[in-house]
Amino acid sequence: GQSLEQPSEVTAVEGAIVQINCTYQTSGFYGLSWYQQHDGGAPTFLSYNALDGLEETGRFSSFLSRSDSYGYLLLQELQMKDSASYFCAVRVMNRDDKIIFGKGTRLHILP
Amino acid sequence: NAGVTQTPKFRILKIGQSMTLQCTQDMNHNYMYWYRQDPGMGLKLIYYSVGAGITDKGEVPNGYNVSRSTTEDFPLRLELAAPSQTSVYFCASSYSKGRQETQYFGPGTRLLVL
Repeated sequence: GQSLEQPSEVTAVEGAIVQINCTYQTSGFYGLSWYQQHDGGAPTFLSYNALDGLEETGRFSSFLSRSDSYGYLLLQELQMKDSASYFCAVRVMNRDDKIIFGKGTRLHILP
Repeated sequence: NAGVTQTPKFRILKIGQSMTLQCTQDMNHNYMYWYRQDPGMGLKLIYYSVGAGITDKGEVPNGYNVSRSTTEDFPLRLELAAPSQTSVYFCASSYSKGRQETQYFGPGTRLLVL
């Protein structure tokens, strides 16, 4: 079967750095994505890793290690507006070609 | 571009009623998806489509049906609503197989079945 594990909640302080981890167990893995979702809103795409290593987009970075079936999202210079849920998602390609989402990590930011 | 639009925004159904959730995208994306999200949970794939005339089941297809007669529209049909279908439904689209990892989501439809 397919499964993704990420912490249910993380708390950090405004201005700090936080890392949200994601481990996955899938067949036909192709890439790892990260999405942000504010309360009452729709998910929005943040980043995608198909190859090992770090991808940086402004204050957000995402890392992938295919050999460890592991990735993380790194948020720097945290702002209150970063309070949201963050989902990792895996693109699988076996008989089907689709994306499977984790249950999400709720990020709480303290002033 | 309006992106991905969904109607209605909110609906209350009685058990056994039927309804269609509408989804339209104006980005000429070939891939479209329907997800449901229960409170505090992640997204579960209901159905998806890789192009007009082609649909396939996701993780939780029971109780739902879809059709894809055009590139733009991907309606989701609930035939006999049940309380277990109370959820928020998101439609999403992506451009092509090579960039399928970037999905664009609609604002969602909140459905309550009583």
